[in-house]
Amino acid sequence: EDQVTQSPEALRLQEGESSSLNCSYTVSGLRGLFWYRQDPGKGPEFLFTLYSAGEEKEKERLKATLTKKESFLHITAPKPEDSATYLCHAEGGANNLFFGTGTRLTVIP
Amino acid sequence: DAGVTQSPTHLIKTRGQHVTLRCSPISGHKSVSWYQQVLGQGPQFIFQYYEKEERGRGNFPDRFSARQFPNYSSELNVNALLLGDSALYLCASSLGYGGGETQYFGPGTRLLVL
Repeated sequence: EDQVTQSPEALRLQEGESSSLNCSYTVSGLRGLFWYRQDPGKGPEFLFTLYSAGEEKEKERLKATLTKKESFLHITAPKPEDSATYLCHAEGGANNLFFGTGTRLTVIP
Repeated sequence: DAGVTQSPTHLIKTRGQHVTLRCSPISGHKSVSWYQQVLGQGPQFIFQYYEKEERGRGNFPDRFSARQFPNYSSELNVNALLLGDSALYLCASSLGYGGGETQYFGPGTRLLVL
């Protein structure tokens, strides 16, 4: 069964404490793997698109990587404003679209 | 440039009623997708439309329907509302579909069914 699983469900970090969020996927015919940030009560905000294993994308303190089974979102020296829920989204063959349940990140000053 | 817009922002309905949610995509985008997000969960895929035709459907009952208009805007209709339909309904637009197109989301419509 196609699915996307994110871990951990919640993560608390001290400001400046780097960490990684995991997205494991079993999606047939992966066409794209997407990362979004979502603030409470708002729509997801696009961060990155990854298409093939080995690909990496960076933006400010965030870096996304992709393997054949997983994607990681690395957060370097996070700040309180990075607190949000981070969502992983995969598009598979037959136009199937799947979201994980998200990782709720809290960065403490 | 304007992003994806959705209306209304909030809506309260009672069980058994019908609701229509509206979405305008980013200019130049021809595909619109709808998602349901229950509190504390990730978005669940409902429909994707491209060039006014349905291109994908998630695991939702027939009470849910949608359409896309010639200007690429879209409506999501839900009949015979149930309490469990209470959620944030998200619309996303993309240039095309099926090729790993990046989707850009609107702010959502918060639906409460009493």
